[in-house]
Amino acid sequence: DTGVSQDPRHKITKRGQNVTFRCDPISEHNRLYWYRQTLGQGPEFLTYFQNEAQLEKSRLLSDRFSAERPKGSFSTLEIQRTEQGDSAMYLCANSLDRGNEQFFGPGTRLTVL
Amino acid sequence: AQSVTQLGSHVSVSEGALVLLRCNYSSSVPPYLFWYVQYPNQGLQLLLKYTSAATLVKGINGFEAEFKKSETSFHLTKPSAHMSDAAEYFCAVTWNNNAGNMLTFGGGTRLMVKP
Repeated sequence: DTGVSQDPRHKITKRGQNVTFRCDPISEHNRLYWYRQTLGQGPEFLTYFQNEAQLEKSRLLSDRFSAERPKGSFSTLEIQRTEQGDSAMYLCANSLDRGNEQFFGPGTRLTVL
Repeated sequence: AQSVTQLGSHVSVSEGALVLLRCNYSSSVPPYLFWYVQYPNQGLQLLLKYTSAATLVKGINGFEAEFKKSETSFHLTKPSAHMSDAAEYFCAVTWNNNAGNMLTFGGGTRLMVKP
């Protein structure tokens, strides 16, 4: 257990529905990352927060995706109008500072039918 | 473009045999390098990291890795495989000129351990 929690662990939804995932980081870890991992692949970076500021977004993060980190604590990732291609594991990670390791949560596995 | 490559998507060894998982990166600036392990339906757990200190890095569960700048490699080894080592292993890289320090991962290597 890394101390990073994600909710829900599994989500099954129908195409076109909206879904929201939550990440609760290790307290005092000011950097928070979201990654997406499809079956048989390594994780791919989606977006990064330093405290409450979203500082970088990948081109993978289409307009249907939005992430927030109010007050620099927990973070949410919302996907609107889900598509079957959104089916993946969504991982949240935290780190304390540059160069330090990132601690990963258990992930949320999304299945879009 | 900066990238990381893991040679061999699947590696099979016998219990007690040497484990060698390969990782090569491309970079024009000094890298920070990591190895993570992932068990089924779980997140990633850090095995070890290289951040410009000693080139031979020891990690958890008996794993170690050596940073070789001339070969742009960071291969993961373990002298004697155990059944519990069966998992997916990911090499990851970031760079010290990357303010966000987001990780770039290799495609992963699935390690299978035969009894």
